[in-house]
Amino acid sequence: DGGITQSPKYLFRKEGQNVTLSCEQNLNHDAMYWYRQDPGQGLRLIYYSQIVNDFQKGDIAEGYSVSREKKESFPLTVTSAQKNPTAFYLCATSNIDEQFFGPGTRLTVL
Amino acid sequence: SQQGEEDPQALSIQEGENATMNCSYKTSINNLQWYRQNSGRGLVHLILIRSNEREKHSGRLRVTLDTSKKSSSLLITASRAADTASYFCATDGRYSGGSNYKLTFGKGTLLTVNP
Repeated sequence: DGGITQSPKYLFRKEGQNVTLSCEQNLNHDAMYWYRQDPGQGLRLIYYSQIVNDFQKGDIAEGYSVSREKKESFPLTVTSAQKNPTAFYLCATSNIDEQFFGPGTRLTVL
Repeated sequence: SQQGEEDPQALSIQEGENATMNCSYKTSINNLQWYRQNSGRGLVHLILIRSNEREKHSGRLRVTLDTSKKSSSLLITASRAADTASYFCATDGRYSGGSNYKLTFGKGTLLTVNP
């Protein structure tokens, strides 16, 4: 988990609501990533950012939005357009090769 | 799209035995990495092997890479109950115009080490 914090650890959302997941890092890494993990599955890339004020869609960006106004922060908003948002969300950073992961946020839609 | 596919999906062994997990991938890579995930936690990087390397060791871990077969294996020797976790391989794909990597993860192997 190291220098990456994600909050909250657990999040419950009613259908139709937008929610924002926080990811903060103190590793001074340029690149940041958001992944979604469903039970028994691998990680799927939602969005990534290589530098401040720039971000790119990953493989499953529909229904999600991000911003990268500061190097340390890369919040993810799960919008009401995401039809099946219940999942485990992981934030990661990287400097060159390996990625460093936060502890994750488990989102449940009620 | 998922590039890496781990095999087996689940593996159960006794403490002290060796555990071998395999990963196959489809396209050319610069490097291949293995990560570990304890239940409900984030992933932890274990080892990286570059495309020009054939074998790498780190403690009780041994990773091999066969680029001709597009496959890698992770061997954990003398396993312990604390090794119980999911293990993922990840392959790289360099961003166009950038120096950071985008990783593609497999679905993982769930390893259970029984005391």
